[in-house]
Amino acid sequence: QSVLTQPPSASGTPGQRVTISCSGGSSNIGSNNVYWYQQLPGTAPKLLIYKNTQRPSGVPDRFSGSKSGTSASLAISGLRSEDEADYYCAAWDDSLSGPMFGGGTYLTVL
Amino acid sequence: QVQLVESGGGVVQPGGSLRLSCAASGFIFSNYVMHWVRKVPGKGLEWVAFMRYDGSDRYYADSVKGRFTISRDNSKNTLYLQMNSLRPEDTAVYYCAKDPAMKGSGGAWLDPWGQGTLVIVSS
Repeated sequence: QSVLTQPPSASGTPGQRVTISCSGGSSNIGSNNVYWYQQLPGTAPKLLIYKNTQRPSGVPDRFSGSKSGTSASLAISGLRSEDEADYYCAAWDDSLSGPMFGGGTYLTVL
Repeated sequence: QVQLVESGGGVVQPGGSLRLSCAASGFIFSNYVMHWVRKVPGKGLEWVAFMRYDGSDRYYADSVKGRFTISRDNSKNTLYLQMNSLRPEDTAVYYCAKDPAMKGSGGAWLDPWGQGTLVIVSS
């Protein structure tokens, strides 16, 4: 059972903006950076956002991250069909002494 | 470029053992913390274990503690995961991943990931 809570699914139409939430606690999001990973069907996870808001080179600026207190969000604007994937938030958990992942959100582009 | 290639997956009976390997290239392996993460079919990602760059420390998820052992051979640029007393719930794709923060923990910052190796525990 994930300590980081994400909605299991999200959806939007091409061109829309969607937001995926990630809720945690004081031992993880509240005291550590948040990371977001995208996993396209049949592929390995790929880093999408690091240190709450930073995009690795090659990640389009349509993807943005934010964090406030013990919650974080991933926003995707200008939705495209190729964005259909699983999205996971993650944060170090001081109690676990390891990374904690959210349960994942499957994004459907209608 | 940085590359991680896992191997060693397969089908094993409950109670059996497997050793996974992760061959690293394109970076100074001995300078980086390395992780194992698994994806159970139909479920999300679960962190399994990590090991410090010099092998001085290792940590495990409660679900595998006492059954799995993470190790590394910095002379061979290879990370390992010895899995004993395997259970059906260990069935998953196992990924190795690199912590980009040199000689330190980047927390949940994992980049890149290998392509994964499938482990099926079934009689």
